[in-house]
Amino acid sequence: KQEVTQIPAALSVPEGENLVLNCSFTDSAIYNLQWFRQDPGKGLTSLLLIQSSQREQTSGRLNASLDKSSGRSTLYIAASQPGDSATYLCAVVDDYKLSFGAGTTVTVRA
Amino acid sequence: NAGVMQNPRHLVRRRGQEARLRCSPMKGHSHVYWYRQLPEEGLKFMVYLQKENIIDESGMPKERFSAEFPKEGPSILRIQQVVRGDSAAYFCASSPGVIGLGAYNEQFFGPGTRLTVL
Repeated sequence: KQEVTQIPAALSVPEGENLVLNCSFTDSAIYNLQWFRQDPGKGLTSLLLIQSSQREQTSGRLNASLDKSSGRSTLYIAASQPGDSATYLCAVVDDYKLSFGAGTTVTVRA
Repeated sequence: NAGVMQNPRHLVRRRGQEARLRCSPMKGHSHVYWYRQLPEEGLKFMVYLQKENIIDESGMPKERFSAEFPKEGPSILRIQQVVRGDSAAYFCASSPGVIGLGAYNEQFFGPGTRLTVL
């Protein structure tokens, strides 16, 4: 059974600081890994999808890396802004089933 | 192209009542997935359906929960005789049909239905 862990559970940083969010998973035989953003009381917004053959994916200020052999992924958010405040979820894609971590709640202070 | 739609967005039920949650997939999508997010926990897979077929219901509680995706109309997640422990956010996602061996059917999520059981 796939277990996905996200550390830290919460993070508070001043505006402009870079964010580093960690995700680890127990079964390296995954298809893909996906990072989502969830705002309070809202749905999930897909941020980055890393396919199993890739090692990283970038979109604007976001960069995600994937190391399948060690069961780790890291999401980097450069030059954080108050609008980045949200919960970030990591999900391991095993065929059609997504296994989610509990998330990291980020607060960016103005 | 409208995204995945779920209704109602908020649902309040008393213990013992039935809850019906609806999900309309994105246009052209024939696969639907339901996930549950309990307070302070991550989302957990419940069930995967294609039109008129349940493909995988390994994440569904064995009793009181059922799901369907009829030929016409939305997918329905039904919870009978709700209990306080059913209070959670229920998310639906949809994806297109199989696009190739090994290719990933990216799932697109709806806004969720927040169920509160009094």
